[in-house]
Amino acid sequence: IQMTQSPSSLSASVGDRVTITCRASQSIRTYLNWYQQGPGKAPKLLIHAASNLQSGVPSRFSGSGSGTDFTLTISSLQPEDFTTYFCQQGYSVPFTFGPGTKVDIK
Amino acid sequence: EVQLVESGGDLIQPGGSLRLSCAASGFTFSSHWMSWVRQAPGKGLEWVANIKQDGSEKYYVDSVKGRFTISRDNAKNLLFLQMNTLRAEDTAVYYCTRIPGIEDFFDYWGQGTLVTVSS
Repeated sequence: IQMTQSPSSLSASVGDRVTITCRASQSIRTYLNWYQQGPGKAPKLLIHAASNLQSGVPSRFSGSGSGTDFTLTISSLQPEDFTTYFCQQGYSVPFTFGPGTKVDIK
Repeated sequence: EVQLVESGGDLIQPGGSLRLSCAASGFTFSSHWMSWVRQAPGKGLEWVANIKQDGSEKYYVDSVKGRFTISRDNAKNLLFLQMNTLRAEDTAVYYCTRIPGIEDFFDYWGQGTLVTVSS
């Protein structure tokens, strides 16, 4: 299953609302997860099963979607959110990731 | 506190072998599927392999099938990745990850260990 993300990068300001899209090449129901990765750091799980916020993740992060189209929304960007985001399908092996979306400061 | 600590990364020549280890603590290791995920320098994430709680099921990405072997020692809380016939395209940071339950996502990640395949 191929995963795509759009945009590949975006520029935004602190306080902006940001939406990242992830698309699967076939239906993956809600087996879609989102990760955040800072420079030189390991990825961190944000959302699992399309819309379930991982424990400890701020509520400004939310996810939605099912089938082939999914979104990650950050309601109000904070300085620590300027980094890279990946989606991942867990519907079938081989698990696959999207290419990533880099969020930088406008 | 859940901790995953990888070791074993190194500079290795093409065709060589390497074994990565991951020491797990802070949770019941034998109750979880475990996985290796890698990231080539400046690139995205690639799932490499999964192993069931008792080691009876293993899955691999096609590019490593027949060359890499995932295994575990539940008595010592250790996860391994034996990598043979290494290629330049295997150069990456390798992360040890935990799968929380029957779900198929990675809730904890180690800090990663760098494998560089080059002559």
